[in-house]
Amino acid sequence: GIQVEQSPPDLILQEGANSTLRCNFSDSVNNLQWFHQNPWGQLINLFYIPSGTKQNGRLSATTVATERYSLLYISSSQTTDSGVYFCALRGRQTGANNLFFGTGTRLTVIP
Amino acid sequence: NAGVMQNPRHLVRRRGQEARLRCSPMKGHSHVYWYRQLPEEGLKFMVYLQKENIIDESGMPKERFSAEFPKEGPSILRIQQVVRGDSAAYFCASSSPLAGGVDTQYFGPGTRLTVL
Repeated sequence: GIQVEQSPPDLILQEGANSTLRCNFSDSVNNLQWFHQNPWGQLINLFYIPSGTKQNGRLSATTVATERYSLLYISSSQTTDSGVYFCALRGRQTGANNLFFGTGTRLTVIP
Repeated sequence: NAGVMQNPRHLVRRRGQEARLRCSPMKGHSHVYWYRQLPEEGLKFMVYLQKENIIDESGMPKERFSAEFPKEGPSILRIQQVVRGDSAAYFCASSSPLAGGVDTQYFGPGTRLTVL
């Protein structure tokens, strides 16, 4: 299957700081999603972004499909942003319908 | 518009018992996926179903695990004779592929299975 690598694995931020999370992948994609798993374990859809740039409030994401990476930007971080951020995607070559998940970036925002 | 529903949210079983996990997809969605998340790991695909059909079960263990998505009612993930290693969070996702290939998967809250 497709390889999905996320960095950094762990990140600790002071409230109000900005951060960039990275997702590298090994195949061309026809579906890429970013999720936030909150401390209660719920998975929240952030972006569907197989290519291009999108913004939603303090969050934005960019996928450069030709270079096989995606970035998630979090600005003015808040304690409620804490949790694990997953990149998940479906590779174009494999033909599979399921999402392959990265191992996540664990973000801790301290007040 | 209700999201993906899963129940129960927490399930405790003793070794050797059966576990049944239910998933109701979002309204209008006909594709259901089951994923498993072991502690401190990412989610791993198990099975992909459409109504009355298993499309891809390549991620499902060959023994003790089965899944169905009947014409009426929720999708069921069934684990027979559970073992401690089955303890995990099980997530269901649903999607409805549209013209143009947009295929966002929406996840339910998960069922946390603990095997004693």
